[in-house]
Amino acid sequence: GDSVTQMEGPVTLSEEAFLTINCTYTATGYPSLFWYVQYPGEGLQLLLKATKADDKGSNKGFEATYRKETTSFHLEKGSVQVSDSAVYFCALSGPGYSTLTFGKGTMLLVSP
Amino acid sequence: NAGVTQTPKFQVLKTGQSMTLQCAQDMNHNSMYWYRQDPGMGLRLIYYSASEGTTDKGEVPNGYNVSRLNKREFSLRLESAAPSQTSVYFCASSTRDRSYSNQPQHFGDGTRLSIL
Repeated sequence: GDSVTQMEGPVTLSEEAFLTINCTYTATGYPSLFWYVQYPGEGLQLLLKATKADDKGSNKGFEATYRKETTSFHLEKGSVQVSDSAVYFCALSGPGYSTLTFGKGTMLLVSP
Repeated sequence: NAGVTQTPKFQVLKTGQSMTLQCAQDMNHNSMYWYRQDPGMGLRLIYYSASEGTTDKGEVPNGYNVSRLNKREFSLRLESAAPSQTSVYFCASSTRDRSYSNQPQHFGDGTRLSIL
């Protein structure tokens, strides 16, 4: 079945550092890929998405590129802020499916 | 813009008690979902409803039942609560675009459920 693997956290960074959170997937066909963010005490919010190979999703300074050849969708940000501290989830949705398969989440802690 | 609304936000139950978690969306979405979130486990799908009148099991359906009451509402019922069901429960909804590609899911703020 489909699966998503994320790097384990927590990831601890200083403000303005470069962020990478790795995500790889296993799926049949050509899934859509998503990054969701969860702030403390809240539900998940869509951060960005990509629906086909080589697509780059971007939002709020975060970027991720759909790499079919490496089955990856790594999340990057050039300069993190304290307000980016949250849990980040990588997820996929198979073609024609309505359900999401999530990774286990990666906690990001950014200090001033 | 209410989006997805879950009630209650917090609940404590005793083992064996029953409870229904409510979820409503105001975005005219066709599909609705129930997940549970446990530490180190990510989100796991309990049940989903691809459209009004249909429900299907997800990854962890045992001990739960669901009802798609109408297009807006999708409830999750614990008939006889067990400590293993202590978790944070999230409801979500989504739709499809004209090409029938799945649009991103929108989540509620969750129900924090403790079973003693």
